[in-house]
Amino acid sequence: AQSVAQPEDQVNVAEGNPLTVKCTYSVSGNPYLFWYVQYPNRGLQFLLKYITGDNLVKGSYGFEAEFNKSQTSFHLKKPSALVSDSALYFCAVRHLAGNMLTFGGGTRLMVKP
Amino acid sequence: DAGVIQSPRHEVTEMGQEVTLRCKPISGHDYLFWYRQTMMRGLELLIYFNNNVPIDDSGMPEDRFSAKMPNASFSTLKIQPSEPRDSAVYFCASRPGQYNEQFFGPGTRLTVL
Repeated sequence: AQSVAQPEDQVNVAEGNPLTVKCTYSVSGNPYLFWYVQYPNRGLQFLLKYITGDNLVKGSYGFEAEFNKSQTSFHLKKPSALVSDSALYFCAVRHLAGNMLTFGGGTRLMVKP
Repeated sequence: DAGVIQSPRHEVTEMGQEVTLRCKPISGHDYLFWYRQTMMRGLELLIYFNNNVPIDDSGMPEDRFSAKMPNASFSTLKIQPSEPRDSAVYFCASRPGQYNEQFFGPGTRLTVL
């Protein structure tokens, strides 16, 4: 079985400050990890993924994520938040050889001016 | 490319009626996924296809739900008869190959009265 936990329902940050959205996962074998973002009344948009290689992955819109195997975490980060980053963020995991993505419950990011 | 196309974008129907949701995946993508999103249960995978063949339908909640993919460019998700608890946003996603990210459609918001 595979699972994803996003421990924070909401993260509040001031514009210009760094942000972190937390994600921990559980999967047997090598994980394939993703972050997606959802804006109101829209579908999910891909931000970044980790398969193998460098533990720090860079993605769209200045976001990055750090894979930590020992802590089974894949936290999403951005050095300087924008108001337009306010949205719902989902972490997802699958086994590298599998096809079924398991999503976390989502974290709402609120960036205030 | 226009991305994943879903229709209708909104559907309001009465309990007991048949509902058909439609999806056109991105051309060349050989995997297609149907998800349901609710506040209570988050994002749930209902079924997925590979090369038009249903591979795993273990997420389909009941026999009232059925999905087909008659060709590489079209899939349907049908609910018959519909019930108020089926109210949700239904997403279709497609993916090119085994080791890539999924691309989501804009979703269909279904309301069953």
